[in-house]
Amino acid sequence: DVKVTQSSRYLVKRTGEKVFLECVQDMDHENMFWYRQDPGLGLRLIYFSYDVKMKEKGDIPEGYSVSREKKERFSLILESASTNQTSMYLCASGSPAGVYTEAFFGQGTRLTVV
Amino acid sequence: GEDVEQSLFLSVREGDSSVINCTYTDSSSTYLYWYKQEPGAGLQLLTYIFSNMDMKQDQRLTVLLNKKDKHLSLRIADTQTGDSAIYFCAESAPASGGSYIPTFGRGTSLIVHP
Repeated sequence: DVKVTQSSRYLVKRTGEKVFLECVQDMDHENMFWYRQDPGLGLRLIYFSYDVKMKEKGDIPEGYSVSREKKERFSLILESASTNQTSMYLCASGSPAGVYTEAFFGQGTRLTVV
Repeated sequence: GEDVEQSLFLSVREGDSSVINCTYTDSSSTYLYWYKQEPGAGLQLLTYIFSNMDMKQDQRLTVLLNKKDKHLSLRIADTQTGDSAIYFCAESAPASGGSYIPTFGRGTSLIVHP
């Protein structure tokens, strides 16, 4: 089975801290995604990567950056955490097969910024 | 990105059928997907439909696609309490590097009561 593992289920950080959210997948997928999930807003794409060292902004990249040094690992970085970044963060991976793109998700990281 | 719209809540009685509706905007979508998110977990692909199909049935699940109206629905027959979850409609939008990005609706919370 495909496994996407996020490093933490729950995190509490202080305003202004630099926060790293790590995601690892074990299926050699080219594509990796970071989404943010908020009640009533669904999933919003922050960044995605379609290859090592390649990254593209999603719909809400402000305040975030990403790193993909190895194919299996995609990190989301909050440069200076703010309370409005309190949310559930979901990492996903997928391997394009034509236009069929099933996404495999990690269990999520619930981040609280105080 | 493209918009995928769905209602936020649906409440049904155990044993009844549930119908979750979705509208999408990208007429070029080749595949459309339904994902399920159980409490405290990431999303999992439930089913998908190819755009040249009108209907797909998989055990208790029936997916109907109306391409003309860009309307997708998911019917769950004999709904059980274990079906209580958030259901996301998704399409794939073209992106950089020849990849496709899963784009999600806001999710419909299905509540099944005895």
